[in-house]
Amino acid sequence: GEDVEQSLFLSVREGDSSVINCTYTDSSSTYLYWYKQEPGAGLQLLTYIFSNMDMKQDQRLTVLLNKKDKHLSLRIADTQTGDSAIYFCAETLDDKIIFGKGTRLHILP
Amino acid sequence: SAVISQKPSRDICQRGTSLTIQCQVDSQVTMMFWYRQQPGQSLTLIATANQGSEATYESGFVIDKFPISRPNLTFSTLTVSNMSPEDSSIYLCSAEGHLNTEAFFGQGTRLTVV
Repeated sequence: GEDVEQSLFLSVREGDSSVINCTYTDSSSTYLYWYKQEPGAGLQLLTYIFSNMDMKQDQRLTVLLNKKDKHLSLRIADTQTGDSAIYFCAETLDDKIIFGKGTRLHILP
Repeated sequence: SAVISQKPSRDICQRGTSLTIQCQVDSQVTMMFWYRQQPGQSLTLIATANQGSEATYESGFVIDKFPISRPNLTFSTLTVSNMSPEDSSIYLCSAEGHLNTEAFFGQGTRLTVV
């Protein structure tokens, strides 16, 4: 099927690392994305990874890709209150982007 | 990057009426897309808006219900026709970015049908 799956909720204490996991469906997906949706706002591209990479780091963000297991993760180091949002995993499929249901990240004080 | 202006940002409409949502991009883009995001759900692609030809609709969506215009490379509209409460949702337009590596989104239109 065309389901990108991710857990719906994650609670993390401020200052800790957040790890959001995702499984995708198509091993031929060229790009895999992480989008962030803050309350009342549109989607913002956080980062993306090419399928021929297994890791990408961008400041506090680390993306890990396991192509064999079709598993993608997003690690946010030193999680801040401003990181509170919904994070969508997405893959390309036949020139379309297929999104997961989103993981709501809640930051505990 | 592309900046996308989408309007209206929200509307409350009577059932049986139609609403047209506009999406303006600040640069020319080849591909534009329309998504629906129902409460607690992910984004579902409605259609791909093609410049110079008819839109390409995904399974479950039809042109009579969601007519789309794409008159040029910077603009598109989505109309939600003959609305019912089940059409209450957030509608988002999207444009592909440079080198097809990322998509940019409008702020969304929150539609409530009463």
